[in-house]
Amino acid sequence: KAGVTQTPRYLIKTRGQQVTLSCSPISGHRSVSWYQQTPGQGLQFLFEYFSETQRNKGNFPGRFSGRQFSNSRSEMNVSTLELGDSALYLCASSPRTPPGELFFGEGSRLTVL
Amino acid sequence: QQQVKQSPQSLIVQKGGISIINCAYENTAFDYFPWYQQFPGKGPALLIAIRPDVSEKKEGRFTISFNKSAKQFSLHIMDSQPGDSATYFCAANLGGTYKYIFGTGTRLKVLA
Repeated sequence: KAGVTQTPRYLIKTRGQQVTLSCSPISGHRSVSWYQQTPGQGLQFLFEYFSETQRNKGNFPGRFSGRQFSNSRSEMNVSTLELGDSALYLCASSPRTPPGELFFGEGSRLTVL
Repeated sequence: QQQVKQSPQSLIVQKGGISIINCAYENTAFDYFPWYQQFPGKGPALLIAIRPDVSEKKEGRFTISFNKSAKQFSLHIMDSQPGDSATYFCAANLGGTYKYIFGTGTRLKVLA
């Protein structure tokens, strides 16, 4: 069974630009969560989607948004990029009702110059 | 109140030794406490998890000890091996959601 796939794996943007990251969950998993990982801050919850509906949202500004499609694939978007948005963005999928295991992808590493 | 405090930030252990990582939380509504292991270039992977109605859970060389009254839990890695060298994250979950609060991570290095 294929794991969680995130694209692109690496990207470089400049301040003010926007970026879209993509996540394909494990087949059959309907919940997709996004986390931001930075050194010293650990993993911080961005949002979670289930059946195309956002169920939970973390404490991030409105520049961070996401969506989920009918096939459970998810995208997150960051607009008006700031230097502090440089991070590893991790997507995780889960197979059943919470709580339960998060299956993480390898992440998309975003560098903002 | 939503924080999970993790210590130490880094840890060096000799092969065969015991590695101990500690976490503390404030929110008594948390009801699920997993530990994740992350190797460089990879996403975190679930190692072991515990619920607050149990004081200890063991899986192979990995043990979680849970102290509900002190609002603390810890990961013990017995007979630590160089292959255990990774970053470890504790986490806590509010029931019924996939919103996890993660600790800041512990970078473990096991010397051969």
